[in-house]
Amino acid sequence: NAGVTQTPKFQVLKTGQSMTLQCAQDMNHNSMYWYRQDPGMGLRLIYYSASEGTTDKGEVPNGYNVSRLNKREFSLRLESAAPSQTSVYFCASSNVRGQGQPQHFGDGTRLSIL
Amino acid sequence: GNSVTQMEGPVTLSEEAFLTINCTYTATGYPSLFWYVQYPGEGLQLLLKATKADDKGSNKGFEATYRKETTSFHLEKGSVQVSDSAVYFCALSDQAFGNEKLTFGTGTRLTIIP
Repeated sequence: NAGVTQTPKFQVLKTGQSMTLQCAQDMNHNSMYWYRQDPGMGLRLIYYSASEGTTDKGEVPNGYNVSRLNKREFSLRLESAAPSQTSVYFCASSNVRGQGQPQHFGDGTRLSIL
Repeated sequence: GNSVTQMEGPVTLSEEAFLTINCTYTATGYPSLFWYVQYPGEGLQLLLKATKADDKGSNKGFEATYRKETTSFHLEKGSVQVSDSAVYFCALSDQAFGNEKLTFGTGTRLTIIP
């Protein structure tokens, strides 16, 4: 019962470096999401994918790109990391059929940009 | 747009005390409402949900009632335990275009003292 798996769990980058955060789910969910969590601000949606082959911007997309590689996998890329992108990043997935379907979250990636 | 306002923390209570964490929302339409819990170092887990007015969600001794007239979804528990120490997030879903995008409150950190 893996659920949503995120890699890596921790990462330290220098300003200007690039990296890709990986996310995979094994629940056959159609929708996947990337959030960032900052102190005092709750979770904010970066990008989401309603189904394989589609992606859309969320509340805070600037500085990020995403790829929905297949139904299971949804990656988040930082092309040129900035200190303002220091945060905890969460991936989530859900089955949108039916009202009130909850999202299932991974354990997060703690990212520090120096 | 949609928004969620929840009680500022941190909240510190003694074991067996009564807990209330307030949550109010603004939404156009008829959202579903959720409480998520985040234990240290982990991702968010669904605690309970309600999908229509007057519904009561419950789980692990926690309860919350969807009050449309006051646009509220307050979380309550009659007798808290040390193991309830965590961060609690109120959220609502927006089922626009078939997506269950979540809007989160800022979170309330709860600490229970033995």
